[in-house]
Amino acid sequence: EPEVTQTPSHQVTQMGQEVILRCVPISNHLYFYWYRQILGQKVEFLVSFYNNEISEKSEIFDDQFSVERPDGSNFTLKIRSTKLEDSAMYFCASRLGTSGARTQYFGPGTRLLVL
Amino acid sequence: AQKVTQAQTEISVVEKEDVTLDCVYETRDTTYYLFWYKQPPSGELVFLIRRNSFDEQNEISGRYSWNFQKSTSSFNFTITASQVVDSAVYFCALSEEQGAQKLVFGQGTRLTINP
Repeated sequence: EPEVTQTPSHQVTQMGQEVILRCVPISNHLYFYWYRQILGQKVEFLVSFYNNEISEKSEIFDDQFSVERPDGSNFTLKIRSTKLEDSAMYFCASRLGTSGARTQYFGPGTRLLVL
Repeated sequence: AQKVTQAQTEISVVEKEDVTLDCVYETRDTTYYLFWYKQPPSGELVFLIRRNSFDEQNEISGRYSWNFQKSTSSFNFTITASQVVDSAVYFCALSEEQGAQKLVFGQGTRLTINP
């Protein structure tokens, strides 16, 4: 069964460093999302991406964040200059997008720790 | 604006007991989608069910059942004859038809099934 994959599973970085989190969505899906979950808290929407552009972003998704789909398969989230409060689990999700296909399928997550 | 409330932060029951997880939602859209996801201790988000706003039929899948009531804006989840493997955090989520259909999650309910 097709699934969303994410790399790395864990990443430790120093405050101020740039990180890139990678995702490979399910191959025929058209809508892509990033969410984050601070330890012990709920899952929060960051950004959605469709047709090679951002379709919606949350207040969390400030200028330090960017997304791209460089090669038609990978979907990346970049944090330019990490802060301590960026420590969280980051989930990628994808959705087919055809009529009736509303379910988002999530990857296993990348646990980011900023020191 | 969308909002999902899971008032039960933690529930602990003994194996084989039935347990119901509550979910109340708010939305202005007339067409929307409700979801339940399971997050086991390993951390991934596992899709359990999606319900469309125009389909109020309740659903049963094995030991799991869902009760959708538009009149009370609730989408409750019942596990019958609970098992230790059901121990996880369960999230209820909502997406609206308009826009990017981002998921808005509740705070989650941590369910512990004791042997």
